[in-house]
Amino acid sequence: GAGVSQSPRYKVAKRGQDVALRCDPISGHVSLFWYQQALGQGPEFLTYFQNEAQLDKSGLPSDRFFAERPEGSVSTLKIQRTQQEDSAVYLCASSFEVWSNEQFFGPGTRLTVL
Amino acid sequence: AQSVTQLGSHVSVSEGALVLLRCNYSSSVPPYLFWYVQYPNQGLQLLLKYTTGATLVKGINGFEAEFKKSETSFHLTKPSAHMSDAAEYFCAVSDLNNNAGNMLTFGGGTRLMVKP
Repeated sequence: GAGVSQSPRYKVAKRGQDVALRCDPISGHVSLFWYQQALGQGPEFLTYFQNEAQLDKSGLPSDRFFAERPEGSVSTLKIQRTQQEDSAVYLCASSFEVWSNEQFFGPGTRLTVL
Repeated sequence: AQSVTQLGSHVSVSEGALVLLRCNYSSSVPPYLFWYVQYPNQGLQLLLKYTTGATLVKGINGFEAEFKKSETSFHLTKPSAHMSDAAEYFCAVSDLNNNAGNMLTFGGGTRLMVKP
């Protein structure tokens, strides 16, 4: 398909486990964003990549969160030593240009930490 | 810093009735404004956007919104609700005055329920 894909769609982790969430943006899209959406709330910005460069990570809630996009396409969001408060839907979005005013969202990964 | 306020976390209308979802924003620079819709277990889909030009913008599925700078508002309307409009709606704002490209700041969302 031509859209943004994310995997896995659902992830259940025990508290303290590490998890890795994958995002495949639309081919050729320069910008990639990660957002966190807690239950009943709007998405909140986590981090931004322009190609392989992580230009803003101001939204990452703690140093347990780490994101990378080594080749400027696929991105991985890693959460170490998961906590219950990490339970949320993690959304990935991409856009064609740096200043493009439309982001295309993936379906999200629902993370549940027990 | 930007912020977005959506008045009413839940709105219920009858099928065929007017839909009005409210959004107010704060931004230090002229913003770009968006409305997204989210169906259960799906990602966000863009309904419409305002960047520059005409302040009344039309989107998909019969929705439209009007940018009112004096009121710092961008309310979403649809003349006649359909059952398929039941979903969560998010208003969002972005500006170019930051390092994070066009990162979006979202409101808390409004769940629209449509009664038969």
